[in-house]
Amino acid sequence: AQSVAQPEDQVNVAEGNPLTVKCTYSVSGNPYLFWYVQYPNRGLQFLLKYITGDNLVKGSYGFEAEFNKSQTSFHLKKPSALVSDSALYFCAVRFYNQGGKLIFGQGTELSVKP
Amino acid sequence: GAGVSQSPSNKVTEKGKDVELRCDPISGHTALYWYRQSLGQGLEFLIYFQGNSAPDKSGLPSDRFSAERTGGSVSTLTIQRTQQEDSAVYLCASSLVASGGRTDTQYFGPGTRLTVL
Repeated sequence: AQSVAQPEDQVNVAEGNPLTVKCTYSVSGNPYLFWYVQYPNRGLQFLLKYITGDNLVKGSYGFEAEFNKSQTSFHLKKPSALVSDSALYFCAVRFYNQGGKLIFGQGTELSVKP
Repeated sequence: GAGVSQSPSNKVTEKGKDVELRCDPISGHTALYWYRQSLGQGLEFLIYFQGNSAPDKSGLPSDRFSAERTGGSVSTLTIQRTQQEDSAVYLCASSLVASGGRTDTQYFGPGTRLTVL
């Protein structure tokens, strides 16, 4: 079955340190991969996506993600975390032969402490 | 420009009642999606509309759920005979097209929190 997984329910990082939020996918075909962020009582905000081309994708607020086909991963990264980055992060995948629907991971709660 | 808007922001209803949730997509977006976010099930796809094509209803959990999109713009998600397990946040999103690579980014509204007592 095609799916996407975020293996960590929570990630804790000190402000100023690099952060990584992990995402892996299971697919038969070429996926389009997305990262969204959700702040409390808000909808999802788009951060970045991978379609094709350069495996390193840069997005909003200094975030980037690296597509690794051999490891079927699309980890979200930021070189220096801010307290304001604390939020719920979702990885999502859209498969080219399944129309527009997104399949989401279960979410990772990122906590950045001063 | 204006983003995706949803109304109401909160809805409390009694078990067995029908509810309607509304979504106004970003102007010019031809694709519109409904998702549900709940503690137990995470974020689930419900249904999406692309232009005049037949909607993809593959995510609707039961025949109590239906949605329509009038005039290619506003959409209404209707839940009939609500049950307590329908309590969730219902999110609407829109995109320029459904599967156009660079033009298919989905932008989400703030959601409607539905509580079924």
